[in-house]
Amino acid sequence: DGGITQSPKYLFRKEGQNVTLSCEQNLNHDAMYWYRQDPGQGLRLIYYSQIVNDFQKGDIAEGYSVSREKKESFPLTVTSAQKNPTAFYLCASKGWNTEAFFGQGTRLTVV
Amino acid sequence: KQEVTQIPAALSVPEGENLVLNCSFTDSAIYNLQWFRQDPGKGLTSLLLIQSSQREQTSGRLNASLDKSSGRSTLYIAASQPGDSATYLCAVRPRADSWGKLQFGAGTQVVVTP
Repeated sequence: DGGITQSPKYLFRKEGQNVTLSCEQNLNHDAMYWYRQDPGQGLRLIYYSQIVNDFQKGDIAEGYSVSREKKESFPLTVTSAQKNPTAFYLCASKGWNTEAFFGQGTRLTVV
Repeated sequence: KQEVTQIPAALSVPEGENLVLNCSFTDSAIYNLQWFRQDPGKGLTSLLLIQSSQREQTSGRLNASLDKSSGRSTLYIAASQPGDSATYLCAVRPRADSWGKLQFGAGTQVVVTP
């Protein structure tokens, strides 16, 4: 089945720790995106990538990093510099002028 | 900057009633508009995609209209069912961005009561 897979579903981070969220797609989409969702707020763009080995900052990139070594994969690292990382993280992919498809999300909690 | 607004933020209807969800955007220069559904704790599920050249798009009980000149889209869900309870989000793809950074509204939370 074609789609986007995010893992893990739940993630707990200790203070000062870096954690990495996985996002894999088999839709052959060129573009991939990471969004953050907080209660009562719309989705906010963290990073996006239009092609392998290239990515751009979105609206709230501080404290996050990404890589795009393969077309299918776009992992997001939440670094210790992100002071308020507790949120729901969503990965998406799309082709040129096609629908955007989303994964099932990762809920990150600071403990 | 493109801004997307969804009003109301929450809506409750009895089963069987038709649902009407509104989405407005400030800049009419868009490639397309997409409607999504989100269940609690889940990702977004795509419902309909309307290209800027289209006036409406239909899928089963769902119908979405687009009036680009007035910056509005409406999602109609006929004969609502309790399973339609979810948050509905709209997103526009501005023409100013070549690779489709979608701009989202905050969503309308819908409850359909049996």
